[in-house]
Amino acid sequence: DAGITQSPRHKVTETGTPVTLRCHQTENHRYMYWYRQDPGHGLRLIHYSYGVKDTDKGEVSDGYSVSRSKTEDFLLTLESATSSQTSVYFCAIFKGQGTSGYTFGSGTRLTVV
Amino acid sequence: TQLLEQSPQFLSIQEGENLTVYCNSSSVFSSLQWYRQEPGEGPVLLVTVVTGGEVKKLKRLTFQFGDARKDSSLHITAAQPGDTGLYLCAGANSGGGADGLTFGKGTHLIIQP
Repeated sequence: DAGITQSPRHKVTETGTPVTLRCHQTENHRYMYWYRQDPGHGLRLIHYSYGVKDTDKGEVSDGYSVSRSKTEDFLLTLESATSSQTSVYFCAIFKGQGTSGYTFGSGTRLTVV
Repeated sequence: TQLLEQSPQFLSIQEGENLTVYCNSSSVFSSLQWYRQEPGEGPVLLVTVVTGGEVKKLKRLTFQFGDARKDSSLHITAAQPGDTGLYLCAGANSGGGADGLTFGKGTHLIIQP
């Protein structure tokens, strides 16, 4: 385990409410990512970060925002949750070496009712 | 938008049989990674292939990167129940995936004892 913790692991929220998911790493890696995983779609990139306060959009960024005020924390916020955002969300880190791949957290299962 | 097509989507075979999973794209990737995911957990990196034509072996698993770096395959010899899981391929554009990975939709593999 590369020291990635996602919280919460499970959450049920109501449509229209804001939700923040947290990803915490203990190894000070520069690159962090948020993906969502849905049946029939696989893993899709939401946002990623390449340093403190440096973030960029991924393939499915609409309705999501992120913040990275410290190297170890990467937050994903759903400003106003919708049922289409019901999904499993994964955080990942990349060590920056070509063959090292990504290390994923255990995921957050979010249900929007 | 780059796409990775995985086939088959589902595969259920008996213990001891051999199988091959394919990952195809019309796009060229700088590297291609294979992950395995178990229920309730994040994907775990199995291997990264970087050079066209490269073959890597991991015990009973053999990974190949196509000469044109557009496709890859995963071959499992003498499958065991412990090989059961979701297998994902993922392509990197540059820098090993610093700006994100493109994932295939996955192959659900069940090995029956």
